[in-house]
Amino acid sequence: SQQGEEDPQALSIQEGENATMNCSYKTSINNLQWYRQNSGRGLVHLILIRSNEREKHSGRLRVTLDTSKKSSSLLITASRAADTASYFCATVPHSGGGADGLTFGKGTHLIIQP
Amino acid sequence: NAGVMQNPRHLVRRRGQEARLRCSPMKGHSHVYWYRQLPEEGLKFMVYLQKENIIDESGMPKERFSAEFPKEGPSILRIQQVVRGDSAAYFCASSHEREFGFFGPGTRLTVL
Repeated sequence: SQQGEEDPQALSIQEGENATMNCSYKTSINNLQWYRQNSGRGLVHLILIRSNEREKHSGRLRVTLDTSKKSSSLLITASRAADTASYFCATVPHSGGGADGLTFGKGTHLIIQP
Repeated sequence: NAGVMQNPRHLVRRRGQEARLRCSPMKGHSHVYWYRQLPEEGLKFMVYLQKENIIDESGMPKERFSAEFPKEGPSILRIQQVVRGDSAAYFCASSHEREFGFFGPGTRLTVL
């Protein structure tokens, strides 16, 4: 399977609930990034977490990274209808690189029911 | 500061025609990256350019595809003799440093 696989593929929850998405990867990383893509639109960079960090917060977003398990999770608290989108994790390899080295998963499609 | 601009947003071409996709990076950004997203897939890296130089084109198909980022003007991704399999969304990103990119809205190419 490919680097940066999100799980679940699709998630539907009620507005106000928390949404959790997971990402697994295979090789050593320098950092891991989460992006959001609204239907038919471009990607929005949400958060970057480095390999030596375990947790990061940004507003209603909380990202964790477990390098021993090669996995990351994205938690969106108090979800809103506007959070409906596809969420992608992307990894940058330990060998370096930046936005040129991003390996994306297929994404988790999140639907927030009003 | 305007974001990354891409045009056209939608492009329809018949098989065998040429497609030119343009990307204007954010002001002050000299790094440009092109990614392709096939339907229901994640983005796949194609090429990384700095002004007038191709740094990494390891993700570019060997034939029919080319990219440039001239000293003046936008970056261009050119696809010659398009085929149906080229139908995809093409995203460009730019950055000041190499770390992560700001993505544009994408160009959706449809090959008939």
